[in-house]
Amino acid sequence: SQQGEEDPQALSIQEGENATMNCSYKTSINNLQWYRQNSGRGLVHLILIRSNEREKHSGRLRVTLDTSKKSSSLLITASRAADTASYFCATGPKTSYDKVIFGPGTSLSVIP
Amino acid sequence: EPEVTQTPSHQVTQMGQEVILRCVPISNHLYFYWYRQILGQKVEFLVSFYNNEISEKSEIFDDQFSVERPDGSNFTLKIRSTKLEDSAMYFCASGNRLAGNTIYFGEGSWLTVV
Repeated sequence: SQQGEEDPQALSIQEGENATMNCSYKTSINNLQWYRQNSGRGLVHLILIRSNEREKHSGRLRVTLDTSKKSSSLLITASRAADTASYFCATGPKTSYDKVIFGPGTSLSVIP
Repeated sequence: EPEVTQTPSHQVTQMGQEVILRCVPISNHLYFYWYRQILGQKVEFLVSFYNNEISEKSEIFDDQFSVERPDGSNFTLKIRSTKLEDSAMYFCASGNRLAGNTIYFGEGSWLTVV
């Protein structure tokens, strides 16, 4: 299965701290995407990283990809209360019209 | 920024009734998807759609489900005879390889079957 698996399942930190979430997957990938979901809301795309990339940044977000270990990490620096959400990694797509497959997600709570 | 829009945001229906969930994908996208998320669980793939036909479907997408692109803008998911276990958030998504491999999701339609 391509399925991503995140850890930890839940993470609670103080505002201002950094949050790191990890994702592991089982088969080779072409792309890996990270999404955020606020409670009861839609999936917001954060970053896509390709298999030939090792690191990508977007604002306070830093994503790394280690294809040899089949793992990725999402780092949120200087967290804010508004970062409280669930974060999902999703592997894919492999081809133009292929799907993405989601992991179970990490629930992040940032305490003001 | 262009976005995927879904209607209704919330629907309550009686078991056995038919439901149609509607989606307007991003206008220049070519690949369309439906996913669902049962409360507290992971986001599950249902079906992908390209070039006016289903590209792939999961085991969840059985005969009670169907998808349609009735015109150039809408993409619908129909559940023929709803069951209690169909209660979930349903997400529509779209993508366009020419614009990168990002798949964009809508806000979801929350379906409650009673």
